[in-house]
Amino acid sequence: DTGVSQDPRHKITKRGQNVTFRCDPISEHNRLYWYRQTLGQGPEFLTYFQNEAQLEKSRLLSDRFSAERPKGSFSTLEIQRTEQGDSAMYLCASSFGTAVEAFFGQGTRLTVV
Amino acid sequence: AQSVSQHNHHVILSEAASLELGCNYSYGGTVNLFWYVQYPGQHLQLLLKYFSGDPLVKGIKGFEAEFIKSKFSFNLRKPSVQWSDTAEYFCAVSLNNAGNMLTFGGGTRLMVKP
Repeated sequence: DTGVSQDPRHKITKRGQNVTFRCDPISEHNRLYWYRQTLGQGPEFLTYFQNEAQLEKSRLLSDRFSAERPKGSFSTLEIQRTEQGDSAMYLCASSFGTAVEAFFGQGTRLTVV
Repeated sequence: AQSVSQHNHHVILSEAASLELGCNYSYGGTVNLFWYVQYPGQHLQLLLKYFSGDPLVKGIKGFEAEFIKSKFSFNLRKPSVQWSDTAEYFCAVSLNNAGNMLTFGGGTRLMVKP
């Protein structure tokens, strides 16, 4: 499968723990996006990278959230000191350039208990 | 900030019925418009997009959408739905220079009865 890959698919964690998700975009896609989707809502933009540079961050991305794309390929999203409100599906998407289609991964479903 | 409204949260149709899903956005500048579909258990997939040109856009699987600038609308249509169209549909908008930094609507869950 040469689509966008996210790992893990599901994560259950206790409140207060740190979690890290990984996204592998489609090869050669220079833009990578993170979104969050809660039940019954549409995805909400969190942040995006062009190559290794993080160019935009949403106000939704609190200080407990950090994203990296160290070599311009895969990306990680870390949530520190998780809260129940962090429970959501975290989606990654990638594209080559701007005026083209973004391809989404299947997401990582986080449940904070 | 821009916002997107999808007024129909749940739609139930019988096969062969016609479909129209409403989408309105609020932003006064130039926008790019998208419809994404999410089939059960699958990832979001692009149905169609509008960047410029002909406001009637044709997408995959017989879907089309019409951009009406004066109404800030981008409604999705299909003349005859199939059971396999059962899915959740999301309208999204991005600013003209913002590529795929998308603002999504809340989604419309479509169920097509065989």
